[in-house]
Amino acid sequence: QKEVEQDPGPLSVPEGAIVSLNCTYSNSAFQYFMWYRQYSRKGPELLMYTYSSGNKEDGRFTAQVDKSSKYISLFIRDSQPSDSATYLCAMSPRGSQGNLIFGKGTKLSVKP
Amino acid sequence: GAVVSQHPSRVICKSGTSVKIECRSLDFQATTMFWYRQFPKKSLMLMATSNEGSKATYEQGVEKDKFLINHASLTLSTLTVTSAHPEDSSFYICSAEPLKDGTYEQYFGPGTRLTVT
Repeated sequence: QKEVEQDPGPLSVPEGAIVSLNCTYSNSAFQYFMWYRQYSRKGPELLMYTYSSGNKEDGRFTAQVDKSSKYISLFIRDSQPSDSATYLCAMSPRGSQGNLIFGKGTKLSVKP
Repeated sequence: GAVVSQHPSRVICKSGTSVKIECRSLDFQATTMFWYRQFPKKSLMLMATSNEGSKATYEQGVEKDKFLINHASLTLSTLTVTSAHPEDSSFYICSAEPLKDGTYEQYFGPGTRLTVT
């Protein structure tokens, strides 16, 4: 079993839809959870950063972490065509400086 | 804030030559920078962790003599691909971790696409 599993998609939704992106993981030591957005041929851009369990909201984006289920989610409300990108989850064990483990990324397409 | 640049953005080189890629944190200091490689439709794979003023730590399977890393200052790290071969063609991305206690945020550069012919 891979450490981080993420459905690669592609996921296609109409503009305005709520998007749900998910990752599961196997390592219970992970404490830091991030979501990155990567446009084609560009570097990843940090969207959300969460420590331990709980929810975090930033504008149209909500990140959820359920450590008991080893499951994290990113919700995008009122999706826009400009949200079309690949979304990567990443996580890190507590105390392991910078050792991010990435999911494969989910390719999202928001159709106008 | 938290901008990381990479240069060049694209490079094409002949097999057997060496290529240097620069990674700079523009508006913050970073004791630690990371180098990743990303193949098409694959996730980012960490190649090495670079700490300012010390030797880089390479991940298993990454040849340190082929991928030379120099972290000369708190804002600059370089990756040199020596004697490049076509199989080294990939998207190389660096990231930098700001000097902040208790967080592990990484900010990524825009990437360098290397094509070895």
